[in-house]
Amino acid sequence: AQTVTQSQPEMSVQEAETVTLSCTYDTSESDYYLFWYKQPPSRQMILVIRQEAYKQQNATENRFSVNFQKAAKSFSLKISDSQLGDAAMYFCAYRRPFNYGGSQGNLIFGKGTKLSVKP
Amino acid sequence: NAGVTQTPKFRVLKTGQSMTLLCAQDMNHEYMYWYRQDPGMGLRLIHYSVGEGTTAKGEVPDGYNVSRLKKQNFLLGLESAAPSQTSVYFCASSWTGRDTDTQYFGPGTRLTVL
Repeated sequence: AQTVTQSQPEMSVQEAETVTLSCTYDTSESDYYLFWYKQPPSRQMILVIRQEAYKQQNATENRFSVNFQKAAKSFSLKISDSQLGDAAMYFCAYRRPFNYGGSQGNLIFGKGTKLSVKP
Repeated sequence: NAGVTQTPKFRVLKTGQSMTLLCAQDMNHEYMYWYRQDPGMGLRLIHYSVGEGTTAKGEVPDGYNVSRLKKQNFLLGLESAAPSQTSVYFCASSWTGRDTDTQYFGPGTRLTVL
């Protein structure tokens, strides 16, 4: 079974600085998809960024980028120029390929990292 | 465009009571999912549906039932609530289960079972 591990329960960053959140996962599959979701105090789950395992290029979305190391099974999230609105829980998630081993596309989540942003 | 909505937002039950959580989406999505989120945990899949009239079990299905009578609605039922079912419940939907499709989440329902 696939597992996702986020080893940092809490992180803190100064406004305008850069912070990196760690995520590792365990899988025997070669094709899969990785996601970072943000959950602010409102509890809404918001997709931040997505990475396809078959792509070597790291995904980027404005101030958010990932460092995807497939061999090491590592998928870290870098937030540049941190803003107060970035304060939230961040979840790393894994998704099996559609219809692979009966998969219907559900997400497997890590336990989350709580990010605080100091003004 | 409301996206994914959940009813109710909060609920307190006594042990043994029953209730139904409603998830509605207006994006014509085929796939719908129910997850639960417990303190210190990520979301875990309870049940899911790949289309109207179909449902399947996820990782933690015990104590829950679901129905998908209409494409836009996915109901989660608790027949006899237990304190272990105290949690935040999230519904999500996607166009298909294919990997490039994003799952859109509802705002969650906070359920407390006394």
